[in-house]
Amino acid sequence: EPEVTQTPSHQVTQMGQEVILRCVPISNHLYFYWYRQILGQKVEFLVSFYNNEISEKSEIFDDQFSVERPDGSNFTLKIRSTKLEDSAMYFCASSWDRKNQPQHFGDGTRLSIL
Amino acid sequence: KQEVTQIPAALSVPEGENLVLNCSFTDSAIYNLQWFRQDPGKGLTSLLLIQSSQREQTSGRLNASLDKSSGRSTLYIAASQPGDSATYLCAVGPPGDDKIIFGKGTRLHILP
Repeated sequence: EPEVTQTPSHQVTQMGQEVILRCVPISNHLYFYWYRQILGQKVEFLVSFYNNEISEKSEIFDDQFSVERPDGSNFTLKIRSTKLEDSAMYFCASSWDRKNQPQHFGDGTRLSIL
Repeated sequence: KQEVTQIPAALSVPEGENLVLNCSFTDSAIYNLQWFRQDPGKGLTSLLLIQSSQREQTSGRLNASLDKSSGRSTLYIAASQPGDSATYLCAVGPPGDDKIIFGKGTRLHILP
């Protein structure tokens, strides 16, 4: 069964450094998402992406965050200057349809900011 | 603002029992509701998606129901097995939004 893949599985970065999290969504999906889960807390929506532009973003997704689909397969989340509070599990998801089909999630990247 | 609550936070039941997990949401204006399973250190696996016009969905031993007017959904697991041990997350899709809003989950442990 097709799946969403994320790399790396764990990223350790010094505070203030830039980090790029990578995702390969399911190949025929059109909608792409990033969520995060701080340890012990709920999964929170960050951003959705469709037709090469941001479709929706949350309050968390400020100017320090950006997303890109640099080619036909990858979808990336960049954090420009990481803070301690950015430490979380980051999940990429994709869906074929915006509302009528389920979102499929990857296994996540655990981001640890030192 | 939509809030999703799952009670209890943790549940242990003996193998073979049928069980029900609960999810409640504060705003009945939803487009859909999705149940996920999360294994430790892993991502979220979609189990069932119920559209707001539907009352239930079934997949194997799983049955999810939706009562939009009362703001509730249940996930029924029949004949539980140790492999069902995981955290189960409920998430609602507001109309007009791309995002889905998650509950904190119920951590289920099936005792062999």
